[in-house]
Amino acid sequence: QVQLQESGPGLVKPSETLSLNCSVSGYSISRGSYWGWIRQPPGKGLEWVGTIYHNGNTYYKPSLRSRVTISVDTSENQFSLKLSSVTAADTAVYYCARWVMLSYDYWGRGTLVTVSS
Amino acid sequence: EIVLTQSPGTLSLSPGERATLSCRASQSVSSSYLAWYQQKPGQAPRLLIYGASSRATGIPDRFSGSGSGTDFTLTITRLEPEDFAVYYCQQYGGSPQGATFGPGTKLDIK
Repeated sequence: QVQLQESGPGLVKPSETLSLNCSVSGYSISRGSYWGWIRQPPGKGLEWVGTIYHNGNTYYKPSLRSRVTISVDTSENQFSLKLSSVTAADTAVYYCARWVMLSYDYWGRGTLVTVSS
Repeated sequence: EIVLTQSPGTLSLSPGERATLSCRASQSVSSSYLAWYQQKPGQAPRLLIYGASSRATGIPDRFSGSGSGTDFTLTITRLEPEDFAVYYCQQYGGSPQGATFGPGTKLDIK
């Protein structure tokens, strides 16, 4: 059973960098598949942030591209999200998920990140 | 960029009834690129349908997806109490557009 678990600070100050990790168990990232980050502002819908392949190729939402970095660490079987220069608009539950068959089949439970001073 | 519209915004039905949820794309979408998710409060989304009509692992057969081009439908026959949730459609726009989600349909107990 594939399991994903997000981790990272729940509170980030405006203008700083949001950093999250996603640990994967039950599946080796180095086997393949794409891995993504999706966020959901409180009470709102889902927004794709970006995706990474196990070889490090990345794909970012165009409107976030200048602030987003997604990386992968196959030795630790995890991937990470960094979002710089955050504002209150970046407050959201951040999910990591596996991208297979052009959809996200396994999701983490999500972690709420609040941007506030 | 392809925009997805879902209707209705809220659907109020009773257990045992049939639910029909619509997802409309602003441009034609390959059926392979359309998926549906269910999300309950405080939980992550759960993949129901991929490739417009293929059920994900473990999804009951009362859930079915159909459609092509710009119009897609998620049908839930014989609603169970656990089916009341928010449903999102998602399409893949290729790189660099990535995945796009619809705004969701909330399925309420009447």
